[in-house]
Amino acid sequence: AQSVTQLDSQVPVFEEAPVELRCNYSSSVSVYLFWYVQYPNQGLQLLLKYLSGSTLVKGINGFEAEFNKSQTSFHLRKPSVHISDTAEYFCAVSEWDYKLSFGAGTTVTVRA
Amino acid sequence: NAGVTQTPKFQVLKTGQSMTLQCAQDMNHNSMYWYRQDPGMGLRLIYYSASEGTTDKGEVPNGYNVSRLNKREFSLRLESAAPSQTSVYFCASSPGSRTEAFFGQGTRLTVV
Repeated sequence: AQSVTQLDSQVPVFEEAPVELRCNYSSSVSVYLFWYVQYPNQGLQLLLKYLSGSTLVKGINGFEAEFNKSQTSFHLRKPSVHISDTAEYFCAVSEWDYKLSFGAGTTVTVRA
Repeated sequence: NAGVTQTPKFQVLKTGQSMTLQCAQDMNHNSMYWYRQDPGMGLRLIYYSASEGTTDKGEVPNGYNVSRLNKREFSLRLESAAPSQTSVYFCASSPGSRTEAFFGQGTRLTVV
């Protein structure tokens, strides 16, 4: 069974600074990886996904993530954040079955 | 295009009461899911339905039942609510396995 670990529960960052959110997963088979964002009092919205192919994946709102199979990681990055990026971010993994497993989440707070 | 619609958005129950959370999707997706979200724990899968006519337990099924009424609708029932079931519940759907899920706006349930 797969599991997901988000290494940082809270990440404070200044506006226009870069941010990296770390995600590690454990699985014995090929996986499919996702990052979701949740703005306050809303549902989850897909930021980006890795299914196959290039290990560098670009998503919406200037986010990107890199799949590293040897380190079983899928870290999310943005070179310059905005106040509007304040949200909770979830890493998720899917194996061969229909279940999508989520990490505990990372709260990003962007300050002016 | 409504996507995934959940009703109600908010609910307060007394311990021991029962209720059903409703979910409908209009994207012709095969798979549907119920998650609960609790602070610091991310999203945990309660039940899922890989396709119409099938349902399976997720990580935290105890105290819940589900019905896949048809391809569009997937309901979650609490037979005898407990304070430990106070949470935000999310319904999601996906085209199939190894793809991203699309989420509803959530139901905030409080059991007193």
